[in-house]
Amino acid sequence: DTAVSQTPKYLVTQMGNDKSIKCEQNLGHDTMYWYKQDSKKFLKIMFSYNNKELIINETVPNRFSPKSPDKAHLNLHINSLELGDSAVYFCASSQLGRGGGKLFFGSGTQLSVL
Amino acid sequence: QQQVKQSPQSLIVQKGGISIINCAYENTAFDYFPWYQQFPGKGPALLIAIRPDVSEKKEGRFTISFNKSAKQFSLHIMDSQPGDSATYFCAASGLAGNMLTFGGGTRLMVKP
Repeated sequence: DTAVSQTPKYLVTQMGNDKSIKCEQNLGHDTMYWYKQDSKKFLKIMFSYNNKELIINETVPNRFSPKSPDKAHLNLHINSLELGDSAVYFCASSQLGRGGGKLFFGSGTQLSVL
Repeated sequence: QQQVKQSPQSLIVQKGGISIINCAYENTAFDYFPWYQQFPGKGPALLIAIRPDVSEKKEGRFTISFNKSAKQFSLHIMDSQPGDSATYFCAASGLAGNMLTFGGGTRLMVKP
């Protein structure tokens, strides 16, 4: 059983399109995240949701909109895709209340904007 | 502003050697310092973590050394193996625990 699963694994699309990435965790965690990893492997947090509520929203263009229908799911919708959005997007989850909870990552979605 | 600085960016070690990766942080509120290991095509996975109340933590061939006064911590991989070839990330978080700040990563290659 995959603890944190995200789909699709690969996403190739044209500039200007709108796309979504889905994420689900079966660990019973209360917090989920989206991280972006650029071509230099740098990992940067984008959003964090705790029990369906947004708690971290880093400086991310408002073309990116996370949605959490329940605490086991956190989807990422991206409008008007740009070339610079090409990256690997990772979903992660953790259980807060333990001071720096262990993050469990999904296997990533490689987004290529042409 | 990069709050966690990691070096080197890349590292080549012979099989059986010791791999050492260093990190420095700025925020004194950080109180949790994990290391993550990432293989190609996979997400990062927690390898080992330390809190500032101890100066060293060892798990198998992996050891974290922590220097609170210098605001530095490092990962030592003893008897490095080709299977250890991966990208390693140090990270840090504060009392809130919900925001890990990652270092820039180190690509380790262990040559057979």
